[in-house]
Amino acid sequence: AQSVTQLGSHVSVSEGALVLLRCNYSSSVPPYLFWYVQYPNQGLQLLLKYTTGATLVKGINGFEAEFKKSETSFHLTKPSAHMSDAAEYFCAVSVPSGNTGKLIFGQGTTLQVKP
Amino acid sequence: ETGVTQSPTHLIKTRGQQVTLRCSSQSGHNTVSWYQQALGQGPQFIFQYYREEENGRGNFPPRFSGLQFPNYSSELNVNALELDDSALYLCASSLISGPQETQYFGPGTRLLVL
Repeated sequence: AQSVTQLGSHVSVSEGALVLLRCNYSSSVPPYLFWYVQYPNQGLQLLLKYTTGATLVKGINGFEAEFKKSETSFHLTKPSAHMSDAAEYFCAVSVPSGNTGKLIFGQGTTLQVKP
Repeated sequence: ETGVTQSPTHLIKTRGQQVTLRCSSQSGHNTVSWYQQALGQGPQFIFQYYREEENGRGNFPPRFSGLQFPNYSSELNVNALELDDSALYLCASSLISGPQETQYFGPGTRLLVL
């Protein structure tokens, strides 16, 4: 069965510091992996996704993630945190469901950015 | 802005009542999925509709049901509400079939069951 584990429910960084949010997945089929961000009282916004091809994926707002099959990981990084990055981040794996796919989400990581 | 809208934004119901939540997808998106997000948790897949037919279902009881209409709108119906149904309900639409396709989420409906 497919699953997603996000290591660390809360991550706190200083403004300008490196952001690293960890995600490990379990999948019996080639995975399609997503990172979404959720700001308070809002829905989910896609940051980036990996389907096939290049394992380093660049997304919006300066975020990127690297798919590492040997480590079953898809960690999210950003070189320099901004105050506006404070939000909830969700890693998800998409699994086939009928004709399409359904998303299996991790528990989420709250990113706090300190001035 | 994802182009996916949901109504109402907030709703308060009492245990045992029924509720209908609505979603309007982007034009041309033939797939809509519904997710339940309890406080402090990741979203959980409820079910999915593809071309107006149920296309997959998560671990939710039959009192959770849905409809998808030809005009890219959809509904989530929950009967016999329980306290644990209190959550943020998200709908997401995608353009074409396939697990690699991006799902675009609406802002959600926050349901409180008293």
